Amino acid sequence: NAGVTQTPKFQVLKTGQSMTLQCAQDMNHEYMSWYRQDPGMGLRLIHYSVGAGITDQGEVPNGYNVSRSTTEDFPLRLLSAAPSQTSVYFCASSYKGQGFNSPLHFGNGTRLTVT
Amino acid sequence: DQQVKQNSPSLSVQEGRISILNCDYTNSMFDYFLWYKKYPAEGPTFLISISSIKDKNEDGRFTVFLNKSAKHLSLHIVPSQPGDSAVYFCAVAGGTSYGKLTFGQGTILTVHP
Repeated sequence: NAGVTQTPKFQVLKTGQSMTLQCAQDMNHEYMSWYRQDPGMGLRLIHYSVGAGITDQGEVPNGYNVSRSTTEDFPLRLLSAAPSQTSVYFCASSYKGQGFNSPLHFGNGTRLTVT
Repeated sequence: DQQVKQNSPSLSVQEGRISILNCDYTNSMFDYFLWYKKYPAEGPTFLISISSIKDKNEDGRFTVFLNKSAKHLSLHIVPSQPGDSAVYFCAVAGGTSYGKLTFGQGTILTVHP
């Protein structure tokens, strides 16, 4: 069982470049989300989706786009990379609702450096 | 302003002793509280949770305590083991928020043999 798979593991971009971080889950989870982790800041929610065709903004959405065309995939697009987007990005999924039996499952992260 | 704070960036304990990790939150509307554990180069993994209708939840060596009046959450690990060395994040949610968790900054726990 693969769980949540993120690609690539590492990426270096130059300022102004664009790229897409891939996320796929094989657990048939309705809910998917993207977080970024920065030193001293914990994990902050970027965008989330409660099902195919539905997305919404989290705490820090600026500079990022998402779409959800299938239940399995939730790519995160950086439109024009900036050094402030240097971070570790985590994708997570869960069943809809937040109960004792539906905690978030995280991928292993993508470490992005923007120079 | 951070709604969830873990004021201790790091904690060091001896193997076999108790580890106590603390978390404070500001919004009384939060009603679901979780702890996640993270090893280097891996994603966070769910550890234990508690809802606001309880004040304690236990799972093996891990116990989470909730003090709603103080808006304070703690995780006790007894006995601590070297394999528990990791970053621990508390997270909170309110109502039917579909996993819109708000995380604390994390506490690095080191358990010495």
